[in-house]
Amino acid sequence: DAKTTQPTSMDCAEGRAANLPCNHSTISGNEYVYWYRQIHSQGPQYIIHGLKNNETNEMASLIITEDRKSSTLILPHATLRDTAVYYCIVRGAGGTSYGKLTFGQGTILTVHP
Amino acid sequence: NAGVTQTPKFQVLKTGQSMTLQCAQDMNHNSMYWYRQDPGMGLRLIYYSASEGTTDKGEVPNGYNVSRLNKREFSLRLESAAPSQTSVYFCASRDQGIVRNYGYTFGSGTRLTVV
Repeated sequence: DAKTTQPTSMDCAEGRAANLPCNHSTISGNEYVYWYRQIHSQGPQYIIHGLKNNETNEMASLIITEDRKSSTLILPHATLRDTAVYYCIVRGAGGTSYGKLTFGQGTILTVHP
Repeated sequence: NAGVTQTPKFQVLKTGQSMTLQCAQDMNHNSMYWYRQDPGMGLRLIYYSASEGTTDKGEVPNGYNVSRLNKREFSLRLESAAPSQTSVYFCASRDQGIVRNYGYTFGSGTRLTVV
């Protein structure tokens, strides 16, 4: 699976958009980009995933660059409950890496009042 | 509510004791996983089961064994607990369908302390 690089921490004001970047320059053609978050002491929570097109759901939007070497998770109106560690994960769809998620250090997002 | 259930939520063991962490999912998922998380670190895969009847080692399998009892249940066993196995353990499941490519569902974790 491709390695990802995320900033260690970010801050965001409540009500503002939170934009969390992720670099995955070694991503291969069949690898998806997943975003998860982990609120203190809880299990990770799936947010969104994509292959090459931008995606949006009720939680967030995922913007993937045309060359797929980086992506941005957007929380459009951050709330205090969005304070968490956010993980960007690149996962292969087949072979020996099939189905396994590799978690890095993630980005600690702190939403301030 | 549908999801992944882990038991127990907390456990303290003495070095050398054995125990089994239980995990069950009711979403009819094919694949199940065991991860551990240590302070300040991301999750690391211990073992996984791509489908009923199969299990494979992950990144950190030493000191652990697993059993995929049926499609619903995937247990993790520590035969002789060591302080280095003090951690939070998460179980997860996922639908294996490539086309649908659903996300994973995690349990709430088991906090294990080995003294």
